[in-house]
Amino acid sequence: QQQVKQSPQSLIVQKGGIPIINCAYENTAFDYFPWYQQFPGKGPALLIAIRPDVSEKKEGRFTISFNKSAKQFSLHIMDSQPGDSATYFCAAGEGGGSNYKLTFGKGTLLTVNP
Amino acid sequence: DAGITQSPRHKVTETGTPVTLRCHQTENHRYMYWYRQDPGHGLRLIHYSYGVKDTDKGEVSDGYSVSRSKTEDFLLTLESATSSQTSVYFCATFPTGGSHYGYTFGSGTRLTVV
Repeated sequence: QQQVKQSPQSLIVQKGGIPIINCAYENTAFDYFPWYQQFPGKGPALLIAIRPDVSEKKEGRFTISFNKSAKQFSLHIMDSQPGDSATYFCAAGEGGGSNYKLTFGKGTLLTVNP
Repeated sequence: DAGITQSPRHKVTETGTPVTLRCHQTENHRYMYWYRQDPGHGLRLIHYSYGVKDTDKGEVSDGYSVSRSKTEDFLLTLESATSSQTSVYFCATFPTGGSHYGYTFGSGTRLTVV
């Protein structure tokens, strides 16, 4: 059973566009929702994260929107640039102490054309 | 990826041979994780460790074992490699305390089983 569903699988936008990547979850025990950015040949890197008591978080051109009642969250990239072309993963964290784990979505390959 | 080193970066091995991948961290993080990344599957947890000699299974642990004899080193062993274990393997670490953090990932090991 896929605990974190991510869509779309791939996305192509023009420079300056606003790509939106969506994730949905079922497990209400999740209490932390990070997004990761991965460039080819590199490990995923933490981009931005949100807690469920906040509906929106913005860092630079990246914004997370969080809808707790719908169990959905999304990543928006404002004024997208070719350098933003990467794979993006959403994730959800649960458990405290020794049981803390992140569950990842399957990823979205974003291409930003010049 | 500063502070986390995975070795080797690339490896080709034959079916049926044992293989050990190493993750070394200098962050003194208590928690360490092994994930595998495959197209269409995203990142899936293999095993994790919440302290020296304390490990537990993830969702895709069959055919893998781990050991952690020191805080800084987390080893992943494929006991008898199979072609289905061809993948990119990522190590991640997480600091002690709280749940509202993201992992830090290494640069990955690309393993090919022929």
